Amino acid sequence: NAGVTQTPKFQVLKTGQSMTLQCAQDMNHNSMYWYRQDPGMGLRLIYYSASEGTTDKGEVPNGYNVSRLNKREFSLRLESAAPSQTSVYFCATSDRHQPQHFGDGTRLSIL
Amino acid sequence: SQQGEEDPQALSIQEGENATMNCSYKTSINNLQWYRQNSGRGLVHLILIRSNEREKHSGRLRVTLDTSKKSSSLLITASRAADTASYFCATDSVNTDKLIFGTGTRLQVFP
Repeated sequence: NAGVTQTPKFQVLKTGQSMTLQCAQDMNHNSMYWYRQDPGMGLRLIYYSASEGTTDKGEVPNGYNVSRLNKREFSLRLESAAPSQTSVYFCATSDRHQPQHFGDGTRLSIL
Repeated sequence: SQQGEEDPQALSIQEGENATMNCSYKTSINNLQWYRQNSGRGLVHLILIRSNEREKHSGRLRVTLDTSKKSSSLLITASRAADTASYFCATDSVNTDKLIFGTGTRLQVFP
């Protein structure tokens, strides 16, 4: 039982490159979330998906796109990476008004 | 920003002492949750308290909630070195599945 799996764990990009962060869950939860965590700050919501086929913007969506491929998978795409997007990215899942379950994060550096 | 505030930002104590962390938030809530994050890992849910509850216990954890003051506290009793981590509060509003995280308290417990 893996829970929430994020890939890759680490990535270094050059400014302007694109990449997709993957998240998969085996918890059968309806809701999935992408957060970023920067030093000295809590988690800030980028995008979330309340169910398969739906996505909504969070607090900091600019520069990102998401895709809820199916109930298990929720991907986050950076089309043209910028140094300001250097961060640790977390995926989480939950059922409505229930605790969220987190992956171990993707550490992304953009040079 | 809608983020909640936690204080203190950092706390250092000796094993066996109690640790108290406080959280303030801004909006009406459905519930308030506390999470723990070990260095380099994702967040792990500790305890959830509903808006109509005032106190909740789980092992060495005690959480209080004062909705009139929009504040909560987390008490860890008889702390252990293994409690060293960052602790975050998160509020769950009535109308959405989104959590709003506080900025966190870094707890260091010395053996």
